[in-house]
Amino acid sequence: DAMVIQNPRYQVTQFGKPVTLSCSQTLNHNVMYWYQQKSSQAPKLLFHYYDKDFNNEADTPDNFQSRRPNTSFCFLDIRSPGLGDAAMYLCATSRSRGIEDTQYFGPGTRLTVL
Amino acid sequence: AQSVAQPEDQVNVAEGNPLTVKCTYSVSGNPYLFWYVQYPNRGLQFLLKYITGDNLVKGSYGFEAEFNKSQTSFHLKKPSALVSDSALYFCALDYNFNKFYFGSGTKLNVKP
Repeated sequence: DAMVIQNPRYQVTQFGKPVTLSCSQTLNHNVMYWYQQKSSQAPKLLFHYYDKDFNNEADTPDNFQSRRPNTSFCFLDIRSPGLGDAAMYLCATSRSRGIEDTQYFGPGTRLTVL
Repeated sequence: AQSVAQPEDQVNVAEGNPLTVKCTYSVSGNPYLFWYVQYPNRGLQFLLKYITGDNLVKGSYGFEAEFNKSQTSFHLKKPSALVSDSALYFCALDYNFNKFYFGSGTKLNVKP
């Protein structure tokens, strides 16, 4: 039973063409995270939502935006993808931001930029 | 500065032998440490975490980790490796309300 679902699993876009990645969860968790993982590197947190409160990491480029229309869904928008944005994008959720609450990850969306 | 390091890019072990994947950390306050595993083209799966209490933490799939404050380490261990344990393993440090620094990852190869 999938708990954190990411669609599509593979996304191909063109240089400069806006793209949206989707994440949904059946856990009713309050917090949703977006990570970027480039090849052979550690996942890097881009931003997270605590309920409707958006929290951006200081070094996340302005090219990356996010929307959370309701508890279940969260979107990652890349306004003008560059070649350097090709990566695996991971969505995660947790019940709260407390350390006792585990983060659950989706399978990821692999983005290719042509 | 807070950080986590995995000194080995790759660990090779024979099936049935014990395995250790190393992780060291640097933190100004109490360390909250996690291990995740990633299979090819998959998301990360939680294995175990240390928040407080016993230094030996038991987790999923027979894995355990030993927290050592004096050596600032949190090594992942398993008494008997399986071929199916072959994957990428990440150590992570919670630095601010469930926000993680991940280590660079260690690829575990278990050979039959």
